[in-house]
Amino acid sequence: DTGVSQNPRHKITKRGQNVTFRCDPISEHNRLYWYRQTLGQGPEFLTYFQNEAQLEKSRLLSDRFSAERPKGSFSTLEIQRTEQGDSAMYLCASTPGAINEKLFFGSGTQLSVL
Amino acid sequence: DAKTTQPPSMDCAEGRAANLPCNHSTISGNEYVYWYRQIHSQGPQYIIHGLKNNETNEMASLIITEDRKSSTLILPHATLRDTAVYYCIVINFGNEKLTFGTGTRLTIIP
Repeated sequence: DTGVSQNPRHKITKRGQNVTFRCDPISEHNRLYWYRQTLGQGPEFLTYFQNEAQLEKSRLLSDRFSAERPKGSFSTLEIQRTEQGDSAMYLCASTPGAINEKLFFGSGTQLSVL
Repeated sequence: DAKTTQPPSMDCAEGRAANLPCNHSTISGNEYVYWYRQIHSQGPQYIIHGLKNNETNEMASLIITEDRKSSTLILPHATLRDTAVYYCIVINFGNEKLTFGTGTRLTIIP
């Protein structure tokens, strides 16, 4: 499978715990995006990387959230001190270059904070 | 980016053409119209995009009005697997991210 891979598919955690998600984009895709989606809503932009550089962060990305893409390949999204409001589907997408090229999305990580 | 308006839901009979409208009356000259869809429990999937001219690919056709204030996505022969939420997105060439609305929930009826 050469698509965007996200792990884990599901994560259940207790409030206050830290969680980390991983995204493996399609090989040689330079751009990587993170989105968050809650029930009944469309995906909301969180942040994106051009290779290893994080170029834009949404105001949704509070200081409890951090994303990295250390070698310009896979990316991680960490949430510290999780809150119930963090419960959502976290989606990763990649594209070879500019946004006007189509985005390829993974199947997401479903986070449930109890 | 221009705001889009889509009906919240639509039904279509299996085998018929599904026509999904999108209003983007504030679109500017350098903004593209993109369509994605999201099948339950999956990430969004790119369908098609266009600037001014009508476009067709193996999945769908995109019809953009001459004034570019609205567009229609056409699935020519809808199948049950086309049941999904369809998002119409308008994006400026210089913007680096897609902004999704709430889309249209299309249900294909057997």
